[in-house]
Parts: sequence; C-alpha cells; structure tokens
Amino acid sequence: ETGVTQSPTHLIKTRGQQVTLRCSSQSGHNTVSWYQQALGQGPQFIFQYYREEENGRGNFPPRFSGLQFPNYSSELNVNALELDDSALYLCASSPGSGGFVGELFFGEGSRLTVL
Amino acid sequence: GENVEQHPSTLSVQEGDSAVIKCTYSDSASNYFPWYKQELGKRPQLIIDIRSNVGEKKDQRIAVTLNKTAKHFSLHITETQPEDSAVYFCAPYNTDKLIFGTGTRLQVFP
Repeated sequence: ETGVTQSPTHLIKTRGQQVTLRCSSQSGHNTVSWYQQALGQGPQFIFQYYREEENGRGNFPPRFSGLQFPNYSSELNVNALELDDSALYLCASSPGSGGFVGELFFGEGSRLTVL
Repeated sequence: GENVEQHPSTLSVQEGDSAVIKCTYSDSASNYFPWYKQELGKRPQLIIDIRSNVGEKKDQRIAVTLNKTAKHFSLHITETQPEDSAVYFCAPYNTDKLIFGTGTRLQVFP
C-alpha cells in the first residue's frame, strides 16, 4: 500500500507566476483535501475533492483552484502568486465518502517560496 | 467560522513527566476530535482521535478527553520521552473539514 505522494517537494516562483502542485492519494482513498501551512502556523483548509467534484472550500480566493482525476489523484493550481502564498502545501487523502472525512493521511508537502 | 484555540503554545517537560494540551473550539456541531503530531519538516500524523459520543480514549501513553458541553478536548501524554518532542495540533471536524489549531510545541528534556 503506497502512501500519499506529492510533487514537487520544493519550488521557487516569482510574484505573478502560476504554479501547479500534484498529489497521488493513498490506495483506496477517494477523497482528497488540500491545506496551506504557513511557517509556525497550523494547516488551513483550502478545499476538498470527492469523485472529481469540489465538495468543500475554505476561505481562499478563486485564484486557488483544483482538480481531481478519475484515479483520485489531484492538482492544486495557484494563479497570480503573491508573497503571502509562500507556505507548505499539504495534500491529504481519506477513505471517506465525501461526507464525514475522518482520519486524514498527509503527504510530505510541497514547499513553495514566492519571491 | 469555527474558532480553535490551543493552550499552552509551548510546553517544556522533563522526561518521564506528563504533558497536557487543551483545545477549545466554538462550533457545537463539531463531532470528531483528532490530535495530530508534526515533527520538524515532516507531515502531520494522527496520534489519537475521539468521537462526540465518547468521553475518553486511551492508547498506551496517550489519552484524549472530551467535554462537549464546555467545548474543549485535551491531549494527555504520560511518561514523556524525548521522541515526543514535536508540534501537536488539535483539529476538530466542522461540516466538511478539519480546523487546525495554532499548535503546541512540546519539548521533552532528557
């Protein structure tokens, strides 16, 4: 059984650019959530996908968007990058059915630095 | 929205002592209460969780207690060891997501 994997692990972008982060969920998990963790803070919920549909969203602007694919892998896209977008982006999967999520299994994260 | 607070923000204990971290939440609809441990540079990992119909749960040296009326739950670690040093997050479940607290940095000195 493979765990949650994310890519890339580190990347550096400049303000105004766009970034795509990728996540492969744990085998058998059909729900994927994305969290942003700024330095010294707790993870903040961005959105959740179940069966290729967004079914929950946190307080993030529309320039944060996502996709889930038929194999349950997922992408997080951020447009028009700002300095404050610098953070660790965590993907988490769970075997939930789109409703109650229960335990989240996190990937190691993608650390984004915006200069 | 849901307001989640953790206390203390930092905690230093001697090896073998006990540690208690408290989490207060605001939304009475929350029904699932996990604690995550995050070591430096690593992913958050679930260490224990409790559901709203249970008051206490233990797993070896770790326990969680829940007071739904007062809207708080606590993490208890007994016989602490240096490898318990990490940041601990409570994350009550609200509607469709976990709301993470600001974290408690636990340091266990040998």
